[in-house]
Amino acid sequence: QVQLEQSGAEVKKPGASVKVSCKASGYTFTSYGISWVRQAPGQGLEWMGWIIAYNGNRDYAQKFQGRVTMTTDTSTDTVYMELRSLTSDDTAIYYCGRYYDFLSASIRGIDYWGQGTLVTVSS
Amino acid sequence: EIVMTQSPATLSVSPGERATLSCRASQSIRSNLAWYQQKPGQAPRLLIYGVSTRATGIPARFSGSGSVTEFTLTISSLQSEDFAVYYCHQYNNGGTFGQGTAVEIK
Repeated sequence: QVQLEQSGAEVKKPGASVKVSCKASGYTFTSYGISWVRQAPGQGLEWMGWIIAYNGNRDYAQKFQGRVTMTTDTSTDTVYMELRSLTSDDTAIYYCGRYYDFLSASIRGIDYWGQGTLVTVSS
Repeated sequence: EIVMTQSPATLSVSPGERATLSCRASQSIRSNLAWYQQKPGQAPRLLIYGVSTRATGIPARFSGSGSVTEFTLTISSLQSEDFAVYYCHQYNNGGTFGQGTAVEIK
């Protein structure tokens, strides 16, 4: 079965960076893309961007341009999301999700989600 | 950036009744719209994509409709497990979510 396993919770100081991993299993990793979505405490979902596992092509939400980097490692079927220059506003649960069907070049929503990674930014 | 606006913010419905949730896009998103359900402490779950196609395993009481900028999620007869927050998501240009509609027990 399709599974996305994310790395554990992180506590960071303002100005630091965080790198969250998302390891895929149960499907052909390079046939899909992965998106990243975050959710601040008590708030709604916020789109961060996505990356195609096959070729690393990516698209970031404008809000995060210059501060986020998404990468893939096809040897371990893992996607990474790094967010830099953290502030308290970045405290949130970060989710990865399977997103883009590379073979059919289509999107059918985020059909599988990771369990989420809580990132807390505090001095 | 395309802005997605959901209404109402909260919907109070009795079990067995119909719930109608709305989502409006600030510009045309064609048919590139999905709906998700989220319960407390859980990741969202995909319900609908392509405006009206139910995801795998989603009951038929969930249906989606609409086009261009106006979209609707209908739950025909609310079950106890349907009380949750619902989000729309456009993927026509990048991606953006609506702010959510909380469906609560009346």
